[in-house]
Amino acid sequence: KQEVTQIPAALSVPEGENLVLNCSFTDSAIYNLQWFRQDPGKGLTSLLLIQSSQREQTSGRLNASLDKSSGRSTLYIAASQPGDSATYLCAVYYGGATNKLIFGTGTLLAVQP
Amino acid sequence: DAGVIQSPRHEVTEMGQEVTLRCKPISGHDYLFWYRQTMMRGLELLIYFNNNVPIDDSGMPEDRFSAKMPNASFSTLKIQPSEPRDSAVYFCASSYKAPGTEAFFGQGTRLTVV
Repeated sequence: KQEVTQIPAALSVPEGENLVLNCSFTDSAIYNLQWFRQDPGKGLTSLLLIQSSQREQTSGRLNASLDKSSGRSTLYIAASQPGDSATYLCAVYYGGATNKLIFGTGTLLAVQP
Repeated sequence: DAGVIQSPRHEVTEMGQEVTLRCKPISGHDYLFWYRQTMMRGLELLIYFNNNVPIDDSGMPEDRFSAKMPNASFSTLKIQPSEPRDSAVYFCASSYKAPGTEAFFGQGTRLTVV
């Protein structure tokens, strides 16, 4: 079964810290992986998309890495800010017969000022 | 473009009533997705359309759920009759290319069935 797990479920850090969010997936035959941000009462915003052939993607203070063989991805947030507080979801896309995004359950991040 | 627009934002209804959720995708996007989000099960794909045609409805939980896309700018998700366990946040998303490319989400409809 294709499952996506995110650890930790919740994280609280002081402002300015660098932090890492983890995502693992059971089936390594992925097409790509995306990281999303969800603010309370809002929809999801795509942050980074990594193709299966890539090792990492960067956008500003965000860096996402992908290790397909071990079934892991990490989202690194540098110099965290209170505005980064949100739920972060990773989603794995399997093509072929699955042809859908499989979402993790998310990590709730709180950055304390 | 104003993004993906969903209505209503909140819906409270009594068990047994019909509920219709609406979605307007981003203009020019060929794919439209309906998701359901709950604390227990997270975010689940219910159904998606390509060029107004339903492609995969394997995530639709029961026959009480139905979805239509009569044209490229409008889709509905209907629950009839509704039950308390249908309470969740329902998201609509659209994308320009295939599933797995960048999808843009609406703000969701929070449904409460009492």
